[in-house]
Amino acid sequence: DTEVTQTPKHLVMGMTNKKSLKCEQHMGHRAMYWYKQKAKKPPELMFVYSYEKLSINESVPSRFSPECPNSSLLNLHLHALQPEDSALYLCASSFIHRAGGADTQYFGPGTRLTVL
Amino acid sequence: QKEVEQNSGPLSVPEGAIASLNCTYSDRVSQSFFWYRQYSGKSPELIMSIYSNGDKEDGRFTAQLNKASQYVSLLIRDSQPSDSATYLCAVRKEKSSGDKLTFGTGTRLAVRP
Repeated sequence: DTEVTQTPKHLVMGMTNKKSLKCEQHMGHRAMYWYKQKAKKPPELMFVYSYEKLSINESVPSRFSPECPNSSLLNLHLHALQPEDSALYLCASSFIHRAGGADTQYFGPGTRLTVL
Repeated sequence: QKEVEQNSGPLSVPEGAIASLNCTYSDRVSQSFFWYRQYSGKSPELIMSIYSNGDKEDGRFTAQLNKASQYVSLLIRDSQPSDSATYLCAVRKEKSSGDKLTFGTGTRLAVRP
């Protein structure tokens, strides 16, 4: 089973709203990732969690706030977003080898976010 | 120079032909290489991973890696219209770089019936 699930599939929000994206995996992966993808562009890494701790923040604006409450769940809290934040938000997960390196990343189906 | 470069295409091939997708990368410390397929409006789906020089075959797909030339390719034999998608090349560096996957811009493949 290489399934990563994401909810909701679609989200429309105003610039003053607060919303959250949710990602879940039950593959025992201990690395989880958030990516942002604009149309006709490759995924851009936003955050990496390793063993439930934030290990990489790619200088993402503070209106995006990640959270990893346990080894299976990853959230992305959204507040005061701008229309240019409209995109496909992808979650991914991977094993971490004993030597420390991460393995292949598997992506969830994504959340299509529209900010009005 | 971009870290990972791909021809954006579209690459158009007739059904049944071999599609050849190419990718070059700039950082020699790169260790792991991946090909993802992405249909329009969908998320990336892993097709192949390759870690060592040479060829790796899986069904109709063959990945080729040449670390000396910093080049990785994906061959799709007996191309089908259902293979029409964007193919993303991704490169992972050593652990010290934080296990980042760096993606190329993708090559759009169109298979003509």
